Amino acid sequence: KNQVEQSPQSLIILEGKNCTLQCNYTVSPFSNLRWYKQDTGRGPVSLTIMTFSENTKSNGRYTATLDADTKQSSLHITASQLSDSASYICVVSASGGYQKVTFGTGTKLQVIP
Amino acid sequence: SAVISQKPSRDICQRGTSLTIQCQVDSQVTMMFWYRQQPGQSLTLIATANQGSEATYESGFVIDKFPISRPNLTFSTLTVSNMSPEDSSIYLCSVVLGKDNYGYTFGSGTRLTVV
Repeated sequence: KNQVEQSPQSLIILEGKNCTLQCNYTVSPFSNLRWYKQDTGRGPVSLTIMTFSENTKSNGRYTATLDADTKQSSLHITASQLSDSASYICVVSASGGYQKVTFGTGTKLQVIP
Repeated sequence: SAVISQKPSRDICQRGTSLTIQCQVDSQVTMMFWYRQQPGQSLTLIATANQGSEATYESGFVIDKFPISRPNLTFSTLTVSNMSPEDSSIYLCSVVLGKDNYGYTFGSGTRLTVV
C-alpha cells in the first residue's frame, strides 16, 4: 500500500530560525514528489516538484531534498517568517495514472515572534 | 500553471440542505478532481470530474451525495447534498497540467460548516 508519512506532526519555532520537515514514502513506482504549503482554510500551494533524478530544489527560502534510494525527502525553511505558519504537505505521485497520488498528513508549523 | 477560481470560499449551511461549489479554470484542462479535507486530516479524493460523462467516484463516495457536473474543459461543480455536520470540511478542486501528475494545482478551497 502506498503511504506517505511526515514528521514532526507539529512544530513551533522562533521567527528567524531554520527548520527541517521530513517525509518518508513507500509509493511505487515513483514519479514525482511535491511539497505544498497550506494556509489555514485555504487550498494547498505548490512549493517544489522533484522527479527521480533530482535531489534538491529551491524556491526562495524553501529547499527540498530527495533521496530516491531511501525514499526520503526533506523541506528546509531558512530564516523563518511569521507568514511561514501553515501546514506543509508532502505529496507523492506514482507513475501510470493521474489518480495515483498519495498525500501525507502534513506538518503544522507555527512561527512565533 | 493554471489559475483556479473556486467559490464560495466558505459557507455555513443548515443540515438537510445542499450546497453547490463551483470551480473555474483559466485554461482548458483534461483532468479535474474534487477532494475533501476533514479537520486535521489529509486530503481525500472524492471523484474525478469527466468532461461530457459521469464522474468517477472513489470508494465511499456516491453520486447521490456528491453529484458532479463537468460541462466543459474549464468548469466543474460539486454539490454536497442533504448535508449533515459530518460534511463539515474543506472541499477542493484540483487540476493536472501535463503528464505524470506534473503541475498539480489546487483551488483555494471551500470551507463548509454544517450546523
